Amino acid sequence: QKEVEQNSGPLSVPEGAIASLNCTYSDRVSQSFFWYRQYSGKSPELIMSIYSNGDKEDGRFTAQLNKASQYVSLLIRDSQPSDSATYLCAVNSGSNDYKLSFGAGTTVTVRA
Amino acid sequence: DVKVTQSSRYLVKRTGEKVFLECVQDMDHENMFWYRQDPGLGLRLIYFSYDVKMKEKGDIPEGYSVSREKKERFSLILESASTNQTSMYLCASRQGSYNEQFFGPGTRLTVL
Repeated sequence: QKEVEQNSGPLSVPEGAIASLNCTYSDRVSQSFFWYRQYSGKSPELIMSIYSNGDKEDGRFTAQLNKASQYVSLLIRDSQPSDSATYLCAVNSGSNDYKLSFGAGTTVTVRA
Repeated sequence: DVKVTQSSRYLVKRTGEKVFLECVQDMDHENMFWYRQDPGLGLRLIYFSYDVKMKEKGDIPEGYSVSREKKERFSLILESASTNQTSMYLCASRQGSYNEQFFGPGTRLTVL
C-alpha cells in the first residue's frame, strides 16, 4: 500500500465550478498535512497546511482533514483557468518527523 | 517570504562527471532536503539534513552524497553521473518538525 494515495485524475472542471481533490494516507499517527500546487515545469508551491480535524479555509481553497478516516481533501471553489495544475498531497510521517510523503498528484484542468 | 535558490535551472553533464548541485535558503531554516522528481514516480527523497554537518539518507541515496558546511547551504553531489540520474532535482527547506517545506525552483539535469 502506498503511503499517500490521490485520485489519479486528470480532473476536468468548467470555469466557476468546484474542483474536489481527495487524498488518503496509511500512517495512522501522521501529524501534519499539506497541499502543494505544481505548474508544469515549475517546483511545488505550498497552498494549504492543516494539522487538526475539520475544515480550514483560505480564499477559494478549503482543506478538510479526518484523521479517523485517514483522509484529507482540497476543494477549489470558483475554479479559474489559472488553477490548472497538478496538486500534490503531502503527509508528514508520524514516526520519522522529517519525512514528507507525497502522493503522485492529481492534474486539474479548468475549462474556460 | 522564504526564498530557496538553486544554482542552475538547467544542467547538461556527461556520464562519469562529478556534478554539484547547490541550494541556498535565506530564512535560517534548520532542515534542508534534496528530492528528485520523475514522471510516474513522483517526488522521492534523496537526502535530508536536520542541522549543519548532519545528514540522513532518504529513500534513494545510492549514487549521491551531500554536504552541509553552513546552515544556509546544502549541496548534492553526484560522484559519477549516470544517465539514470537524468531528472528534475528539487531542494527544500523547513523550520522545525511537522512544518511545511518550501521548495526551490528546481534543476533539470540531463546526463548524456
